[in-house]
Amino acid sequence: GAVVSQHPSRVICKSGTSVKIECRSLDFQATTMFWYRQFPKQSLMLMATSNEGSKATYEQGVEKDKFLINHASLTLSTLTVTSAHPEDSSFYICSARHQRDYGYTFGSGTRLTVV
Amino acid sequence: GQNIDQPTEMTATEGAIVQINCTYQTSGFNGLFWYQQHAGEAPTFLSYNVLDGLEEKGRFSSFLSRSKGYSYLLLKELQMKDSASYLCAVRDDKIIFGKGTRLHILP
Repeated sequence: GAVVSQHPSRVICKSGTSVKIECRSLDFQATTMFWYRQFPKQSLMLMATSNEGSKATYEQGVEKDKFLINHASLTLSTLTVTSAHPEDSSFYICSARHQRDYGYTFGSGTRLTVV
Repeated sequence: GQNIDQPTEMTATEGAIVQINCTYQTSGFNGLFWYQQHAGEAPTFLSYNVLDGLEEKGRFSSFLSRSKGYSYLLLKELQMKDSASYLCAVRDDKIIFGKGTRLHILP
């Protein structure tokens, strides 16, 4: 139980374009989801907390106009990287909070490459 | 502020035992996770400690001392497949990760 599906798993886009990443809770309702970014050989850095029906809370140093988060339903949160640049190339991973087990489940991650 | 410290890299021999330490100073605490992550993959849950003491799960054990802000992950009977990064993470109203420890296993 408590499965989180993240798509796409890999995406390559041209510099200046936008990319949308989806995070879905398949068998539970997720009022809160989290978005992380991981650069090579570094740990997961929390970017923002996504709350259903309200604005996301961004961590210090994360540009909210560049990383748009939408959590319009209890099972879906999206992260849109706008006007992507090569330095945005990274591994993006979502996590959803739930009431089962230890309370958090991660998606499988999205490898974004901007060329 | 939030501060979670763990060694950057460790090396151990196949069949041996290794202990990965984690110290934390966070504004809140509702539990501590250990995750394993292979390169290019999502982290895999290993353990979750809320109370002080040792939790054993097969070859892996995790210890927590809340008063000392300290945890360790103990891996026994190391196998080559255990070569990975091990992430210590503290739960408050969200999960904050340490920088991770890259564990290299030598044959």
